[in-house]
Amino acid sequence: DTGVSQDPRHKITKRGQNVTFRCDPISEHNRLYWYRQTLGQGPEFLTYFQNEAQLEKSRLLSDRFSAERPKGSFSTLEIQRTEQGDSAMYLCASSPGTSGYNEQFFGPGTRLTVL
Amino acid sequence: ILNVEQSPQSLHVQEGDSTNFTCSFPSSNFYALHWYRWETAKSPEALFVMTLNGDEKKKGRISATLNTKEGYSYLYIKGSQPEDSATYLCASTEVQGAQKLVFGQGTRLTINP
Repeated sequence: DTGVSQDPRHKITKRGQNVTFRCDPISEHNRLYWYRQTLGQGPEFLTYFQNEAQLEKSRLLSDRFSAERPKGSFSTLEIQRTEQGDSAMYLCASSPGTSGYNEQFFGPGTRLTVL
Repeated sequence: ILNVEQSPQSLHVQEGDSTNFTCSFPSSNFYALHWYRWETAKSPEALFVMTLNGDEKKKGRISATLNTKEGYSYLYIKGSQPEDSATYLCASTEVQGAQKLVFGQGTRLTINP
């Protein structure tokens, strides 16, 4: 297994456009997390899935954001009507278990720039 | 979890010198403390996961300690090398819920040859 992958690595879009990012977790990891990192800050939690169920969403995730994980495998994060404030690095992580002791394995991130 | 803080925010160290930095976290509802190394254009890489008060972990020249009663962890790098240049992130998880990582803002380490 080659680890967590994310696509695309970079995305430049104009304000008002919709964008979609994809995350492929490590096989058989049942937990999948999305985080967002803005300049000068650490990553912040957005949402997570236990298999195909989305169990928690941060207040950072406005109604313009939607995430899915069909069949409990890959996940997509869509942002509708992008705003300049959405510019950030979007990170995906997967974990094999439900304990806070379990390591989360991160992908390389998708860097979004909204012009 | 209210806030995880790291200091310093950035650090320049001469090659061969040893260094350390700090992560502080709320001790209530604490479950685990994670350290990650994040090199530019790569994925964040897990270094350590610690849960027990007094825990010490070591990986090569890097080691970490944990004090859950006072809510802090130290990361030490012995004999810094240029490849140690990276951002070092710590994150805390709570006992219940999503076990989401709550990150500090990171310490950006630059090793000068």
